[in-house]
Amino acid sequence: DAKTTQPNSMESNEEEPVHLPCNHSTISGTDYIHWYRQLPSQGPEYVIHGLTSNVNNRMASLAIAEDRKSSTLILHRATLRDAAVYYCILGISPNNAGNMLTFGGGTRLMVKP
Amino acid sequence: GAGVSQSPRYKVAKRGQDVALRCDPISGHVSLFWYQQALGQGPEFLTYFQNEAQLDKSGLPSDRFFAERPEGSVSTLKIQRTQQEDSAVYLCASSFDTGVTYYYEQYFGPGTRLTVT
Repeated sequence: DAKTTQPNSMESNEEEPVHLPCNHSTISGTDYIHWYRQLPSQGPEYVIHGLTSNVNNRMASLAIAEDRKSSTLILHRATLRDAAVYYCILGISPNNAGNMLTFGGGTRLMVKP
Repeated sequence: GAGVSQSPRYKVAKRGQDVALRCDPISGHVSLFWYQQALGQGPEFLTYFQNEAQLDKSGLPSDRFFAERPEGSVSTLKIQRTQQEDSAVYLCASSFDTGVTYYYEQYFGPGTRLTVT
C-alpha cells in the first residue's frame, strides 16, 4: 500500500485558516485521498476525499497537487472544536471490496483561543 | 439518526479472562470493520464483514481474536485469554459500501477501551 507522510503536530490560532499537508509520493493512479479526523475520546470521522481535482465541502477543502504526490487539507477558520488528530489516508484499488482504511500517525492539530 | 454504537464503552479484564465487545452498525450498512487503536497511535485494521460473511481477517493479531456477525447486522469481537498487550481501544465502523461501487465513507463508533490488568 502507498504510504503517507504527515507532520506529527501543528498549531493554529482560533478563527485563522489551517493548512494540513500530506505527502504521498508513491500514490497510484486509482488511489483516492481521504481525510478523517479523530476528536478526543471519539472514533474517527470522515472529513473529505478526492481523486484529482480540488474538493470543497461544508467541513473543509482539499487541494491536490497536479502530480498527486501531495495534498493539503484546508480548514478555512479553525475553531476550538477542530482540535483533533487528522489522518491522510490513501484509498485502495476500486476493484478491491472491503476498503479498509490504513491509518498512519496523523497530525495532531492544536487550536489556541 | 442513530450512529454506530459500541458496548461496553469501558472494560477492565484480568489477564486470562475472555471478553466480548459488541458493535451495532448503522441500519442497512453492508460493510462492517473492526480496528484496534493502541495509545497514541492510529487505528489498525483487524477484520472486515460484508453482510454476515467475514471476507478479511488478516489483521487479527492471533487466534485468540474472533469476530462474528451472524445475521449481517450486530457484530461481536471476542478475545480469549486476554493479555496485557490486548489493552487498546477497539473501534467498529460501518459503511454502505457493497463492494461494487467504490466510494464509501466509514462511520465509526466511539470505541470500547479495554484495559487488561
